[in-house]
Amino acid sequence: RKEVEQDPGPFNVPEGATVAFNCTYSNSASQSFFWYRQDCRKEPKLLMSVYSSGNEDGRFTAQLNRASQYISLLIRDSKLSDSATYLCVVKPEGGYNKLIFGAGTRLAVHP
Amino acid sequence: DTGVSQNPRHKITKRGQNVTFRCDPISEHNRLYWYRQTLGQGPEFLTYFQNEAQLEKSRLLSDRFSAERPKGSFSTLEIQRTEQGDSAMYLCASSLSLAGSYEEQYFGPGTRLTVT
Repeated sequence: RKEVEQDPGPFNVPEGATVAFNCTYSNSASQSFFWYRQDCRKEPKLLMSVYSSGNEDGRFTAQLNRASQYISLLIRDSKLSDSATYLCVVKPEGGYNKLIFGAGTRLAVHP
Repeated sequence: DTGVSQNPRHKITKRGQNVTFRCDPISEHNRLYWYRQTLGQGPEFLTYFQNEAQLEKSRLLSDRFSAERPKGSFSTLEIQRTEQGDSAMYLCASSLSLAGSYEEQYFGPGTRLTVT
């Protein structure tokens, strides 16, 4: 079983739509959680950290459920520029700050 | 540009040849990481340096792979006797350790290796 699992998509949505991505992780001792964004043939970039209390950054809302080992990302009012692959990322306890990435969920926003 | 840089950006090599990639981290960053990404997958951790010390290696890093960071600045990743399964994007990331807070890892543009 993979340590971080995501639905690969693709999610094809029209501009203005709300879309949600989910992710599960297997190591209950995981310490920190993130969403990264990766554009086609580019490097991953940090989108936002994920906290148990939930956090919001503009149109993006991230949520963590430690009991269910589940992470979510909600994108409201989708823009064409949101088209990318969204990577769910977990930092295990200890582990010298290495990151464990999911395979990513691809989002395509169309006019 | 003060971000992480990697060279070369693309490398095509024949099976059995040795290749070496270079990563220049953000100048004040003391931590450096190598990851490998294949098509349709997320990056997979390979190894980690704090300054010049290599502190963690993934079991993915077979004995054909070696990484160095000789003066705690740039790093090299060498693959000996390349195999077709080594074809991937090799990503380098760096971060600055700060006590008590998450250190964002900044990724370079990657080196795309194709083994023919």
